[in-house]
Amino acid sequence: ETGVTQSPTHLIKTRGQQVTLRCSSQSGHNTVSWYQQALGQGPQFIFQYYREEENGRGNFPPRFSGLQFPNYSSELNVNALELDDSALYLCASSLESSPDTEQFFGPGTRLTVL
Amino acid sequence: EDQVTQSPEALRLQEGESSSLNCSYTVSGLRGLFWYRQDPGKGPEFLFTLYSAGEEKEKERLKATLTKKESFLHITAPKPEDSATYLCAVVDSWGKLQFGAGTQVVVTP
Repeated sequence: ETGVTQSPTHLIKTRGQQVTLRCSSQSGHNTVSWYQQALGQGPQFIFQYYREEENGRGNFPPRFSGLQFPNYSSELNVNALELDDSALYLCASSLESSPDTEQFFGPGTRLTVL
Repeated sequence: EDQVTQSPEALRLQEGESSSLNCSYTVSGLRGLFWYRQDPGKGPEFLFTLYSAGEEKEKERLKATLTKKESFLHITAPKPEDSATYLCAVVDSWGKLQFGAGTQVVVTP
């Protein structure tokens, strides 16, 4: 059974650019959630996708957008990058969209914005 | 407002020196409290889910307990491989996971 994978591992961008991060969910999981983790902080919920539809969003601006594909893999897009967007971006998959379902996290993508 | 607070921020232990981490929360109608372990540069790894006050769960040297306002993660006779950041999360009023800032644990031989 393959776990959650994310690509790329690391990324360096400059302010104003756009970035796309990718996530492959664990086999059999139909729900993907994205989190932003700043250094020394806990993960903050960005949004969740369930069966290709957005199913909840945290306190992030519209320049953070996402997509989920029929195979349940997912993308996180960030436009007009700002310095404060530098963080570890985590993807988590789960069997169901119910909030008390265990989420399995990927290794994350470390984004640095210069 | 929903809130999750973890203490202490950091903990340094000698190998074999047992201790406890605290996670206090304010959320209306707890639907689940999660403990995760996170190693540097990696994603969180699931440890436990607790649902109701009085519930306890154990895994190797770790034991999680839950009351109506807080949860404790007890580390018994820790080893250096227990060094990690331990994260607590609750399902908030919006039905999504809200994490605390974590407790960084360092266990020295």
